[in-house]
Amino acid sequence: DVKVTQSSRYLVKRTGEKVFLECVQDMDHENMFWYRQDPGLGLRLIYFSYDVKMKEKGDIPEGYSVSREKKERFSLILESASTNQTSMYLCASRPGGAYYGYTFGSGTRLTVV
Amino acid sequence: TQLLEQSPQFLSIQEGENLTVYCNSSSVFSSLQWYRQEPGEGPVLLVTVVTGGEVKKLKRLTFQFGDARKDSSLHITAAQPGDTGLYLCAGAQGNNDMRFGAGTRLTVKP
Repeated sequence: DVKVTQSSRYLVKRTGEKVFLECVQDMDHENMFWYRQDPGLGLRLIYFSYDVKMKEKGDIPEGYSVSREKKERFSLILESASTNQTSMYLCASRPGGAYYGYTFGSGTRLTVV
Repeated sequence: TQLLEQSPQFLSIQEGENLTVYCNSSSVFSSLQWYRQEPGEGPVLLVTVVTGGEVKKLKRLTFQFGDARKDSSLHITAAQPGDTGLYLCAGAQGNNDMRFGAGTRLTVKP
């Protein structure tokens, strides 16, 4: 079974901490994405990457950064966590090309206290 | 303001009923996808539609892409409790990546 694996299902962090969310895919997909999901707002794109060492800002990049050192791994970094970053974070990947669907991980529910 | 508006936001029906949920926008999309998300899991792709007027069927689910490629609908016939979940539509403009609607939360009661 093809998979996108997120390192943690649940995380609780303190305000001001640096937080790393890890995502690994085993499908050799070129494209990887980070979304956050909040009730009533749907999925909002934070950052995405079309290739190793490449990154593009999505719709809500403020307060986040990303790293893609290897094709299979895409990390989301919260430089200084704040309570308004409490959310469900979803990683996804897909092959290159316009019409392929996303494969999502199971999500990380992050609570910042 | 969402690029894609989904309606209704919540829907609760009895097993065996039919239902339709909608995904609307003022923008034109090169493709549109529907996903279902169950609690504690990520969304799972149901279908991709790319041609205006296209209709696709997946067992009891029928997906339609509007002629102008600005809207889509999902119709479920004889809903079952296993259909319960959050239904998300997502649209792509040109080669840009997908933008998602807020979803329709469907509950099917036995």
